[in-house]
Amino acid sequence: GAVVSQHPSWVICKSGTSVKIECRSLDFQATTMFWYRQFPKQSLMLMATSNEGSKATYEQGVEKDKFLINHASLTLSTLTVTSAHPEDSSFYICSASVEYGSYEQYFGPGTRLTVT
Amino acid sequence: AQSVTQPDIHITVSEGASLELRCNYSYGATPYLFWYVQSPGQGLQLLLKYFSGDTLVQGIKGFEAEFKRSQSSFNLRKPSVHWSDAAEYFCAVGSGTYKYIFGTGTRLKVLA
Repeated sequence: GAVVSQHPSWVICKSGTSVKIECRSLDFQATTMFWYRQFPKQSLMLMATSNEGSKATYEQGVEKDKFLINHASLTLSTLTVTSAHPEDSSFYICSASVEYGSYEQYFGPGTRLTVT
Repeated sequence: AQSVTQPDIHITVSEGASLELRCNYSYGATPYLFWYVQSPGQGLQLLLKYFSGDTLVQGIKGFEAEFKRSQSSFNLRKPSVHWSDAAEYFCAVGSGTYKYIFGTGTRLKVLA
């Protein structure tokens, strides 16, 4: 149980284009989803927290107009990288909590974004 | 400020040897502590967690961790390492806002 999927697993896009990454909870309803960014050989940095039906809360330093997060349903959150640039290339990982206020997060397999 | 420190960036052990990965945290209240493993290009898999109760926690794949409040530590151990354990290991603490603060990770290499 508690499986989280991400799609696509890897994507290459050209500079200036936008790319959407999906995060789905397959067998549970996720009231809260988290988006992380991981640079090579580094730790995970939280980008934003999203609760179903409300606006995402972004961490300090994360451009909310560049990284659009939508959590329209209890099983789906999307991260859209707008006007992507090579410096946006990274590994993006989402996670989901089963219930609000739960400390336990279930992680997706990640999406490798390469911007050329 | 809340923080998690994993002092060892890289650790190399021989297959069959014992393993201990260190984790120290700084957190004002009772911490919720986690250990995750990440294989190359993959997401994170939960090894074990500590919320309360017995300070020695058993996890999957033969891992265990011990919470020591006096030392602000939550070290991960395994008595006999297998080649498949080679991966990146992350310690994390759950903060008061239900977010995770991750350590910088320890990359484990296993020698045959």
